[in-house]
Amino acid sequence: EAQVTQNPRYLITVTGKKLTVTCSQNMNHEYMSWYRQDPGLGLRQIYYSMNVEVTDKGDVPEGYKVSRKEKRNFPLILESPSPNQTSLYFCASSKTLRDSPLHFGNGTRLTVT
Amino acid sequence: KQEVTQIPAALSVPEGENLVLNCSFTDSAIYNLQWFRQDPGKGLTSLLLIQSSQREQTSGRLNASLDKSSGRSTLYIAASQPGDSATYLCAVRQVDSSYKLIFGSGTRLLVRP
Repeated sequence: EAQVTQNPRYLITVTGKKLTVTCSQNMNHEYMSWYRQDPGLGLRQIYYSMNVEVTDKGDVPEGYKVSRKEKRNFPLILESPSPNQTSLYFCASSKTLRDSPLHFGNGTRLTVT
Repeated sequence: KQEVTQIPAALSVPEGENLVLNCSFTDSAIYNLQWFRQDPGKGLTSLLLIQSSQREQTSGRLNASLDKSSGRSTLYIAASQPGDSATYLCAVRQVDSSYKLIFGSGTRLLVRP
């Protein structure tokens, strides 16, 4: 089944403890992206990648890192999480950057205390 | 700066009714527009993608139209069913080097049996 898989689905952590949210897609998509969704602020892009080893900042990149060493994987790294990073995170992918529909993972709900 | 607005924020209709969801955007220079559905606790599912050169797209009971010059799109749902209950989001893709997607805040739809 074609899908975008994120893990974990739920994560509770403490301030400053490094964490990684994994994202994998099995559709051979070139484009991958991370979003966070917050009440009243909607979906905001954190980082995106147009292909292997090509990443770029979105609207809210501060406090996050990403890497794209393989086409299928696009992990989101929080080196020193803070409470304002408590949010619902989505990974998404599409075949191409511009013309293709975006496929989303089921989300990771992160709580930082 | 592109802004995407969806009105109303919430809508409740009886089963069987035909309904229209609205999406407006401030900058008509878009590459395409997508409609998504989001179920509680889940990721977004792409419903329809309309390229800027197209006027409408149809999928089953769904029909999306695009009027780029007036900055408007509508999603028409025919013969609504309780299973259509979800939040519907529209997103426009920018015509710039990032081809970023700008999301509206969504319309929460409840179809009553």
